Amino acid sequence: KAGVTQTPRYLIKTRGQQVTLSCSPISGHRSVSWYQQTPGQGLQFLFEYFSETQRNKGNFPGRFSGRQFSNSRSEMNVSTLELGDSALYLCASSWSTTEQFFGPGTRLTVL
Amino acid sequence: DAKTTQPNSMESNEEEPVHLPCNHSTISGTDYIHWYRQLPSQGPEYVIHGLTSNVNNRMASLAIAEDRKSSTLILHRATLRDAAVYYCILRSPYNAGNMLTFGGGTRLMVKP
Repeated sequence: KAGVTQTPRYLIKTRGQQVTLSCSPISGHRSVSWYQQTPGQGLQFLFEYFSETQRNKGNFPGRFSGRQFSNSRSEMNVSTLELGDSALYLCASSWSTTEQFFGPGTRLTVL
Repeated sequence: DAKTTQPNSMESNEEEPVHLPCNHSTISGTDYIHWYRQLPSQGPEYVIHGLTSNVNNRMASLAIAEDRKSSTLILHRATLRDAAVYYCILRSPYNAGNMLTFGGGTRLMVKP
């Protein structure tokens, strides 16, 4: 079974730009969650989508948004990028509340 | 979610057992104890979870104190591949969704 895939794996943007990251969950998984990981703040929950609806949201500004498509693939968007948005963005999928499967992440660098 | 406390780092020798502690004194009766680990340059991966009884799987064992205020993840024979950051997380099944609240975790270093 293929794992969670995230594209692109690496991305460099400049301040003020926007970026879209993509996540393809494991087949059959309807829940997709996004996390931001930085050296200073660690792993922080961004939001979760289930059957195309946002089910949970973390404490991030409105510049961070996401969506989920009918095939469970998900995208997250960050508008008006700031230097502090440089991070590893991780996507996780699951079919239950027991175990989440994480992708390898997208490393975003904002210059 | 209730808070967990873990040592920042631990060291182990290869092929020896490793006991990774986690304190969760404010755990509620419905909170499950989950462990994830993050290998270098990878996303976290699920290790094990439990509620009250000790649990075993192919990766590790989870020993839960009788009062549930602490737990210990046991790696029976550490390998170099087990070098990772280990996260102890509490989750209630009554919380909607799959949000995980990660703390700082324990960085395990394994010496050959």
